[in-house]
Amino acid sequence: AQSVSQHNHHVILSEAASLELGCNYSYGGTVNLFWYVQYPGQHLQLLLKYFSGDPLVKGIKGFEAEFIKSKFSFNLRKPSVQWSDTAEYFCAVTPFSGGYNKLIFGAGTRLAVHP
Amino acid sequence: DVKVTQSSRYLVKRTGEKVFLECVQDMDHENMFWYRQDPGLGLRLIYFSYDVKMKEKGDIPEGYSVSREKKERFSLILESASTNQTSMYLCASSWGGQGGEKLFFGSGTQLSVL
Repeated sequence: AQSVSQHNHHVILSEAASLELGCNYSYGGTVNLFWYVQYPGQHLQLLLKYFSGDPLVKGIKGFEAEFIKSKFSFNLRKPSVQWSDTAEYFCAVTPFSGGYNKLIFGAGTRLAVHP
Repeated sequence: DVKVTQSSRYLVKRTGEKVFLECVQDMDHENMFWYRQDPGLGLRLIYFSYDVKMKEKGDIPEGYSVSREKKERFSLILESASTNQTSMYLCASSWGGQGGEKLFFGSGTQLSVL
């Protein structure tokens, strides 16, 4: 079955530290890739997405992600985190396989940024 | 801005009760979805609908049913609530298509079944 793996369930960083959250998926065909974020008490919202083209995509709030097809990965990065980045981050993948192509979510990574 | 509104933020129900969770979107989206969110499991798709009166099972449909009588409204029904259905329920919507579109989420309903 197709799946999405997020390597870290909890990450704790100090402000100004660099962030990289891992995401791998198990599907060899065409995919759309997403990172969603859920800030405390708020609804899930899209951080960034990759459909095609440049594998390095930039999202809101200084986040970026790189699609490496050979590694089936879509890791999220930010050079310098802020306290306001404290949130839960979800990687999600749509594998295109005919019919309606559902979005598959990873288990999420809780990020806590300390001042 | 797209708005997806879930009728309740918190619900407490008893085992065996029939539970209705309501969701309304205001952007004329074709697709609507119900997910449940559990710690360590991420979001799992329960049901989705790509048109009025149409529904498709997601990954965990057991114990749930849905209704979409109007385009803007998608209801999740727990026929006989059980304690293992205690969870955060998220509604989402998206433009029509074959999948892969951006989803817009509601704020969620935290359901506790006692």
